[in-house]
Parts: sequence; C-alpha cells; structure tokens
Amino acid sequence: DGGITQSPKYLFRKEGQNVTLSCEQNLNHDAMYWYRQDPGQGLRLIYYSQIVNDFQKGDIAEGYSVSREKKESFPLTVTSAQKNPTAFYLCASSILGAAEAFFGQGTRLTVV
Amino acid sequence: GENVEQHPSTLSVQEGDSAVIKCTYSDSASNYFPWYKQELGKRPQLIIDIRSNVGEKKDQRIAVTLNKTAKHFSLHITETQPEDSAVYFCAASRNNAGNMLTFGGGTRLMVKP
Repeated sequence: DGGITQSPKYLFRKEGQNVTLSCEQNLNHDAMYWYRQDPGQGLRLIYYSQIVNDFQKGDIAEGYSVSREKKESFPLTVTSAQKNPTAFYLCASSILGAAEAFFGQGTRLTVV
Repeated sequence: GENVEQHPSTLSVQEGDSAVIKCTYSDSASNYFPWYKQELGKRPQLIIDIRSNVGEKKDQRIAVTLNKTAKHFSLHITETQPEDSAVYFCAASRNNAGNMLTFGGGTRLMVKP
C-alpha cells in the first residue's frame, strides 16, 4: 500500500473543534485532491491542487481549508464551520492531464 | 460544471451472469472516463478507463463502451464472480480542468453464489 498515505485511519472530534487530516504522497504527482464520501453516496470534491502553493475549491469547500506547502503533502482542515463533518475522507493524487487518480486509504471522521 | 449520473444504484446478479452499469455525463469537453471499484472499507481502485478517441476497451472480463454523441458510457462485467461484489464508480474529466474527476453516485453490485 505505498504511494499515498492518509492518517489517521479513524478520528474522533468534539463539536466546535478544528481537526486536520494528513495526506502524503511519494509518487511525484503534481495534482492532489480531497474527496468526501457519505454512506451510499459518491465522492464529492472538496479541494484540489495542481501545483505547490496553489489550490482551488471543489463542489463542497465550505467549512474546509487546505494548504500545499510541499509537493508531497496536502493536509485538509475540517473547521468548526463545517455543519456536518462526520464522513469518510479520501485523498488522491495524479499526474497532470486526464489520468488515473491514486487514492489513499481514507480517514473516517466522527464528530461526537 | 460537469455532472455525472450513474445507474442503477444497486444491482444484484447471479454468479456467472453479466452486469452492466451505465453513466451519463453533461460536459461534451470531457475526454477521460475511468471506472473505480471500492471494496468495503477500502480505497477506490481503478479497474479500467477509456479516452474519448476510443469507442470500446476490454480487459479480460471487464469492458467499457463510450458513446460520445449520446454522452454516455457503460461498464460491462461478464461471468461475474462473488469477488466482483463491491461499489463501482464511474467518473469523467477533461485535460484542461486540472484532471479534476467528477464521480457518479456509485453502484453497489452484489454477486450471489
């Protein structure tokens, strides 16, 4: 399972707290993405980045923030402004141009 | 933006039968169409993809067809086996959109032994 790593696998958070999900890749991919997956639903794009120090909002960016200080890393912060944060979060990376996206193992976030 | 719809949401077949999952997309500029398989609790993994300059692609028991005019593409699995049971996602993207993938809602395939 090398290539793209997410941590932790399970995360519990109290309401009102921010939490940061880690995503690291050693595939030398320029593009990285964060998706949210809810039970029985598809993957919805939160943020994506094509180059270091640049990122774009996806379809459901409200209540989330990201940074891309290094090519290998694309952490996602779930802020207290996200009204329904409990979900399965998937990070992915790919080369530029329409191509296969490689996914991490995911982080299951539960707000308690 | 792109919108991808996927049908059916659930599909139950008998082992050995064929399974077909269909997707439609809205953006005529989309030119890359991958299919991902996600087993329970695991990451999605690419099983086959097709580009807009090709109408059909096969890989053993799996095939994908693309109709650019109608803007739909389909996944065909023949001789299904219990290990084919999973959730399948179609997606679409285009080169000049940072290869941002737009996913369909997924199909839960159940293969009964």
